[in-house]
Amino acid sequence: GAVVSQHPSRVICKSGTSVKIECRSLDFQATTMFWYRQFPKQSLMLMATSNEGSKATYEQGVEKDKFLINHASLTLSTLTVTSAHPEDSSFYICSAQNYRGLAEKLFFGSGTQLSVL
Amino acid sequence: DQQVKQNSPSLSVQEGRISILNCDYTNSMFDYFLWYKKYPAEGPTFLISISSIKDKNEDGRFTVFLNKSAKHLSLHIVPSQPGDSAVYFCAASAAGSNYQLIWGAGTKLIIKP
Repeated sequence: GAVVSQHPSRVICKSGTSVKIECRSLDFQATTMFWYRQFPKQSLMLMATSNEGSKATYEQGVEKDKFLINHASLTLSTLTVTSAHPEDSSFYICSAQNYRGLAEKLFFGSGTQLSVL
Repeated sequence: DQQVKQNSPSLSVQEGRISILNCDYTNSMFDYFLWYKKYPAEGPTFLISISSIKDKNEDGRFTVFLNKSAKHLSLHIVPSQPGDSAVYFCAASAAGSNYQLIWGAGTKLIIKP
């Protein structure tokens, strides 16, 4: 089946630093990638939709200058948390879609647990 | 305001018995519902879905029931197996945006031997 690789799986950083998370589709070209955030015992919340070669579309309440998304190729999207603060500590997960419009064709990375000290 | 609610954070079921996971929603515009399964340290994987034009969809041991009037859906797993132990997420989407999923908080299913 389709594989989405997400790295790193866990990162601990100091407040004020920037953290980059990579999401790669390993055996298919992903026209669209999605970034989610999940706080403990809460729903997965869509942060932004990333289309290859164009600017990401951010959900309401998500700061685009803080969460920089780059989808430079059909197999790679990156999320950079800039000037991270403790409140940014969360579980970040990406998903990639290889067929437009079908939610069943979403494949998820294994997630990144970010802890900001 | 949570549009998709999974009110049971966890559920424990004996192996071989039926597992019933519940999900409620508030948005009447939702017309497509999905269940995802998630193991620790892995991303969610698609399990089964149902369109609002149906009230039941079955795939092997998994059956999803939809009650539109009650805005309620449930996932039945029978018989439950140890490998079914995972977190199950309910997700919903509105017409025209199948990939814009609204997620529940998940229910951790524990299958006891």
